Amino acid sequence: DIQMTQSPSTLSACVGDRVTITCRASQSIGSWLAWYQQKPGKAPKLLIYKASSLQSGVPSRFSGSGSGTEFTLTISCLQPDDFATYYCQQYNSYSLYSFGQGTKLE
Amino acid sequence: EVHLVESGGALVQPGGSLTLACAASGFTFNTFWMSWVRQAPGKGLEWVANIKEDGTQKYYVDSVRGRFTIFRDNAKNSLLLQMNSLRPEDTAVYYCVRATDLQGWGQGTLVTVSS
Repeated sequence: DIQMTQSPSTLSACVGDRVTITCRASQSIGSWLAWYQQKPGKAPKLLIYKASSLQSGVPSRFSGSGSGTEFTLTISCLQPDDFATYYCQQYNSYSLYSFGQGTKLE
Repeated sequence: EVHLVESGGALVQPGGSLTLACAASGFTFNTFWMSWVRQAPGKGLEWVANIKEDGTQKYYVDSVRGRFTIFRDNAKNSLLLQMNSLRPEDTAVYYCVRATDLQGWGQGTLVTVSS
């Protein structure tokens, strides 16, 4: 199994801050890493796919980087709408996908 | 635009069975792998299963293997999840999503396993 470990679990920040969330894979997944934003009672929203590709319609203040086993999601200038929970997901092989445990941005 | 609508969620007793459905539109359904993903109340996301375009390959998370079956009806642009021997820990919102590129998250359907 590929374990995905996100850090931190909770992140406290203010509007205007630059924040970074890290996701580590237990083995190499190339660039097959996605990031999601989720708000209470809503479905996850895809932000980044293939580690660094911005999903259509997602603001450019969101960016992703990394490859292999270490990945980051950066929000360059936090907006009030960005306070939510963020998840990473590896999709390196159809035989096994997995998610990180989530990071609550408050 | 990728559009996926889940249905079939219900309250079911432990040990019971349920089949979820996902109606797909806006893309050529039979050319994409598809996934089911779930989220228990107050918990994180968990991948459940994947199925190949033609249904010939299927993969499951360990916790559901042998109890759940993913299948598809390409003629009806439909993805299904047959769930047997349901347990309280299967209680979750279930989402279908296009596995190949993670597009199309719907609003999900709630399955509650409780006596």
